[in-house]
Amino acid sequence: AQSVSQHNHHVILSEAASLELGCNYSYGGTVNLFWYVQYPGQHLQLLLKYFSGDPLVKGIKGFEAEFIKSKFSFNLRKPSVQWSDTAEYFCAVGPPNAGKSTFGDGTTLTVKP
Amino acid sequence: GAGVSQTPSNKVTEKGKYVELRCDPISGHTALYWYRQSLGQGPEFLIYFQGTGAADDSGLPNDRFFAVRPEGSVSTLKIQRTERGDSAVYLCASSLGVLGSEETQYFGPGTRLLVL
Repeated sequence: AQSVSQHNHHVILSEAASLELGCNYSYGGTVNLFWYVQYPGQHLQLLLKYFSGDPLVKGIKGFEAEFIKSKFSFNLRKPSVQWSDTAEYFCAVGPPNAGKSTFGDGTTLTVKP
Repeated sequence: GAGVSQTPSNKVTEKGKYVELRCDPISGHTALYWYRQSLGQGPEFLIYFQGTGAADDSGLPNDRFFAVRPEGSVSTLKIQRTERGDSAVYLCASSLGVLGSEETQYFGPGTRLLVL
């Protein structure tokens, strides 16, 4: 069975600090990997995704994530966070061309102005 | 444009009652997904439709849960004999086709279900 582990439940940073949120998954085959974000009062939305090719994926709002197959990891990074990045971040994994995605329990990011 | 909509936004019911939750996907999206999110946890997959048929219902927790999508658009999640443990936010998502390199899942606002 698939599982996703997000190491940090709550991260607090000051503006301009660098961000790295950890995500490790357990799955025996080829996977699609996702990061979703939920801003306060808004719907869950896609931040970035990896399906194949370049393991360094760039998403919206300056976020990027690196797929390291040997470590079963897909960590999310941003070099300089802003107050508006305050949100909950979810990592998810799923088999290719299938509807089922398995989500981690999320990391709440609070950015202090 | 219109996104995924879900009704009702909140539902309070009593233990043992029957509830229906509705999802209107983005127009033209053939794939539709239901998830359940409990407090402090990530979304948990319930069922996925491709068109009118349930392509994967492996996440439905037991036979009290059932979902339909009779015309390949609107979907209804039905919960019989509700239990307090069913209290959660029920999320619906849709995508143009099956989740692949070109596809993105778009989520609705969710229905918050509270079983007293």
